Amino acid sequence: RKEVEQDPGPFNVPEGATVAFNCTYSNSASQSFFWYRQDCRKEPKLLMSVYSSGNEDGRFTAQLNRASQYISLLIRDSKLSDSATYLCVVNGGGSYIPTFGRGTSLIVHP
Amino acid sequence: DAGVIQSPRHEVTEMGQEVTLRCKPISGHDYLFWYRQTMMRGLELLIYFNNNVPIDDSGMPEDRFSAKMPNASFSTLKIQPSEPRDSAVYFCASSPGQGLLQYFGPGTRLTVT
Repeated sequence: RKEVEQDPGPFNVPEGATVAFNCTYSNSASQSFFWYRQDCRKEPKLLMSVYSSGNEDGRFTAQLNRASQYISLLIRDSKLSDSATYLCVVNGGGSYIPTFGRGTSLIVHP
Repeated sequence: DAGVIQSPRHEVTEMGQEVTLRCKPISGHDYLFWYRQTMMRGLELLIYFNNNVPIDDSGMPEDRFSAKMPNASFSTLKIQPSEPRDSAVYFCASSPGQGLLQYFGPGTRLTVT
């Protein structure tokens, strides 16, 4: 089993739709979690951290489920500009080696 | 504040040539990471440094790859000799501390013909 797994997609949704991605991780001792966004031919950039109690930033909501070992990202009212690849990152669990998922591709169309 | 700086942004070289990629981390960041990204394998961690000391290089594919960090503001990743399968985007990232988020540079797009 891979350490961090994501559905590669693509998720193809119309503007205004709500879309959710999950990311599962294998190391139960993992301690910190992030969602990054990567635009085509650009570097990954932090979208948001994921806190145990869940957190929201505008149209974006991130949640952590430790029991089932996954994190999720919910995007409401999708915009064309949300089209990108979303990478989850898991840290900790015995060593400081951040592990990136392969990313989930989102395409928002008019 | 300047972000992570990488050079060159693009590099095209012939098989067998030496390639040197450069990175300047964000001032004050104690951790520096080198990644490689390809369509096939995604984002792979090659090596990371803490306070200029290499901590884990288990991701370095083979002896042709080497990385150094002579001081807190500069790191290099060298490939010698380069091969076509090394073609990828190489990212450098820095972080202010353990478990904290990473800031990526714009990457170097390497093409080996």
